[in-house]
Amino acid sequence: EAQVTQNPRYLITVTGKKLTVTCSQNMNHEYMSWYRQDPGLGLRQIYYSMNVEVTDKGDVPEGYKVSRKEKRNFPLILESPSPNQTSLYFCASSNPRAGGRYGYTFGSGTRLTVV
Amino acid sequence: GESVGLHLPTLSVQEGDNSIINCAYSNSASDYFIWYKQESGKGPQFIIDIRSNMDKRQGQRVTVLLNKTVKHLSLQIAATQPGDSAVYFCAEDGSSNTGKLIFGQGTTLQVKP
Repeated sequence: EAQVTQNPRYLITVTGKKLTVTCSQNMNHEYMSWYRQDPGLGLRQIYYSMNVEVTDKGDVPEGYKVSRKEKRNFPLILESPSPNQTSLYFCASSNPRAGGRYGYTFGSGTRLTVV
Repeated sequence: GESVGLHLPTLSVQEGDNSIINCAYSNSASDYFIWYKQESGKGPQFIIDIRSNMDKRQGQRVTVLLNKTVKHLSLQIAATQPGDSAVYFCAEDGSSNTGKLIFGQGTTLQVKP
């Protein structure tokens, strides 16, 4: 089944403790992206990657890092989480240069709470 | 600047009625638009898309209409069912197929039995 898999689904952590949220897709998509979703603010892009070893900042990159060493994986790293990073996070992938439909496929989400 | 917005935050309809969810976009260069559905506790799911060279596209029970003159996008759901209750987002790609989508704030559709 074509999908984007995020782990964990739920995470409660303490301020300053480094964490990684993993994202993997099995569709050979070139484009991958991380979003956070907050009430009243909608989906905001954190980082994106056009291909392996190519990453770029989205609209709200502060406090986050990403890497794209392999095509299928795009982990989101919070080196020193803070309470304002408490949010619902989504990973998404697509193939914009394949032509035709290229809407994102989203993962199921990771609900992060930083205390 | 670029933005995508929805006219109403919440839409309440009777089961069996048709629903219309609206979206306004500001980037006249956008050439690809998508509607997503997000159910509680889940990630957004692709519903239907449309390119700027079309005015209308139909799917199963859903129709997307694009009016480029007034930069307006709408999603019509026929015979709305309880399972249609969700938040609906429009999204646009104004960046010539680079892959980055800009999302609207979302409209909550509530279906009354």
